[in-house]
Amino acid sequence: AQSVTQLGSHVSVSEGALVLLRCNYSSSVPPYLFWYVQYPNQGLQLLLKYTSAATLVKGINGFEAEFKKSETSFHLTKPSAHMSDAAEYFCAVWRNDYKLSFGAGTTVTVRA
Amino acid sequence: GAGVSQSPSNKVTEKGKDVELRCDPISGHTALYWYRQSLGQGLEFLIYFQGNSAPDKSGLPSDRFSAERTGGSVSTLTIQRTQQEDSAVYLCASSPSSAGTTDTQYFGPGTRLTVL
Repeated sequence: AQSVTQLGSHVSVSEGALVLLRCNYSSSVPPYLFWYVQYPNQGLQLLLKYTSAATLVKGINGFEAEFKKSETSFHLTKPSAHMSDAAEYFCAVWRNDYKLSFGAGTTVTVRA
Repeated sequence: GAGVSQSPSNKVTEKGKDVELRCDPISGHTALYWYRQSLGQGLEFLIYFQGNSAPDKSGLPSDRFSAERTGGSVSTLTIQRTQQEDSAVYLCASSPSSAGTTDTQYFGPGTRLTVL
């Protein structure tokens, strides 16, 4: 069954520094992968998704993720963190029973 | 256009009471999902509606939980005889297409349920 694992429940970065959030997937078939962001007291918003068209996926707010089959990874990055990036980030994989399986989430704090 | 809306935004109830949570999906979206987000845990799938098909209830944690979707639009999640472990944020999501696609799910802001 398809699943994802997010490494690190909490990441703290300085404003302007690189943001790197790690996600590894487990899937016996080519996966469809997603990153969602959840700001405080809000629902989830899609950042980007991978559907096998291109391995480097660009999303909103300057985020991007690279699909690496050899490493079974789909890590999320942003070159320069902004205070507004403070939120919880979820990696998810599309399951073949029409559901999304989410990781446990990574909370990002940004230091001034 | 309008996104997914949920009501109420917050609900505090006493143990043993029934609660109803409402979700208004984006107009025209055929798929609707309910998830539960508990403190310190990820998102847990509860139930999935696709058009007029029978819902996938495989994620409901007990028979105290039920959901319906009227007219292919609004959905209500009902929890009977609430327990403290039901305290969580309940999220609703909708997506535009039919089963088997990987369309983006659009989430509502959630209902925070607290059972005292």
